Amino acid sequence: QQPVQSPQAVILREGEDAVINCSSSKALYSVHWYRQKHGEAPVFLMILLKGGEQKGHEKISASFNEKKQQSSLYLTASQLSYSGTYFCGTPGSGGSNYKLTFGKGTLLTVNP
Amino acid sequence: EAQVTQNPRYLITVTGKKLTVTCSQNMNHEYMSWYRQDPGLGLRQIYYSMNVEVTDKGDVPEGYKVSRKEKRNFPLILESPSPNQTSLYFCASSFSYSNTEAFFGQGTRLTVV
Repeated sequence: QQPVQSPQAVILREGEDAVINCSSSKALYSVHWYRQKHGEAPVFLMILLKGGEQKGHEKISASFNEKKQQSSLYLTASQLSYSGTYFCGTPGSGGSNYKLTFGKGTLLTVNP
Repeated sequence: EAQVTQNPRYLITVTGKKLTVTCSQNMNHEYMSWYRQDPGLGLRQIYYSMNVEVTDKGDVPEGYKVSRKEKRNFPLILESPSPNQTSLYFCASSFSYSNTEAFFGQGTRLTVV
């Protein structure tokens, strides 16, 4: 099952903050985050491996709440270069399920 | 340079004409997979491979075949393409499916008429 992302789209002005959420109906063991710019391939941002773990990349950070089966991506003081579609990915539990399933994406537009 | 290479980048074909999209990675990754991307539906996994000769269905496998005879290559085969397979396709590879970064190819835009 695809994880559910919200919002579907968000428009910001440069310098504003945004939060993108990713939730799953199944237990999460890790969460991946990727960004895809228009016409390009998705590019890795970060992986969160343990419950409660937070990671950051410049002004983009993320948290992972195992109990709530959700993760959030935080974009602080957004820049024009942050525009794109953000995907979260949730791996299967192993055993017979080695899928890596992505959500439908969140389109982020940063305007000057 | 570490990369995943897909070919072709663009392809227009007719219904029923068998085609193969190639994917090759130079990072010695064990896990490879194919996704299709359609507007509003995100990235949906078609097939994946844990290693040579080990493949399994993803979420949307109907109408597709794959093989993994060598570690570096993971071709996607459409035996009898139909218009509903018109889509943007991405190949991806990583060391593991769960806790390592996935590298994506540049994509193949397929149109079936």
